[in-house]
Amino acid sequence: GDSVTQMEGPVTLSEEAFLTINCTYTATGYPSLFWYVQYPGEGLQLLLKATKADDKGSNKGFEATYRKETTSFHLEKGSVQVSDSAVYFCALDNAGGTSYGKLTFGQGTILTVHP
Amino acid sequence: NAGVTQTPKFQVLKTGQSMTLQCAQDMNHNSMYWYRQDPGMGLRLIYYSASEGTTDKGEVPNGYNVSRLNKREFSLRLESAAPSQTSVYFCASKTSGGARETQYFGPGTRLLVL
Repeated sequence: GDSVTQMEGPVTLSEEAFLTINCTYTATGYPSLFWYVQYPGEGLQLLLKATKADDKGSNKGFEATYRKETTSFHLEKGSVQVSDSAVYFCALDNAGGTSYGKLTFGQGTILTVHP
Repeated sequence: NAGVTQTPKFQVLKTGQSMTLQCAQDMNHNSMYWYRQDPGMGLRLIYYSASEGTTDKGEVPNGYNVSRLNKREFSLRLESAAPSQTSVYFCASKTSGGARETQYFGPGTRLLVL
């Protein structure tokens, strides 16, 4: 079945540091890939997405490129802020077959940014 | 638009009690989903409804039932709560089952079963 693996966390950075959170996936067909963010006490919000190979999703300074050859969708940001502290989830949607649009999530990565 | 709303926000149950978690969306979406979130495990799908009038099991359906009351509302019922059902429950919706569509999430219901 489909699966998503995120880098081990938590991740602690100083403000203005460079961020990378690794995400790799296993899926048949041509899934869409997503990064969701969850701020403390809140639900999940879409951060960015990519729906086909070589697409780059971007939002709020975050970027991720859909790499089919390495089955990866790593999240990057050049300069993090304290307000980026949250839990980040990588997910895929492989709507083929019987999955009917459900999201398969990684385990989440807790990011803490210190001033 | 309120998006996806969930009630209650927090609930404490005793083992064996029952309850229904409510979810509604005002985005005219066809597909709706229930997930549970447990530490270190991401979110796992409990049930989903591809369209009004249909429901199907996800990865972890045991101990739960669902009702798609109409296009807007999708409820999750625990008939006899167990401590293993202590979790945070999220409802989500999207336009259709297509892989390119974004799922929108509610704020969650935090459930504690004693």
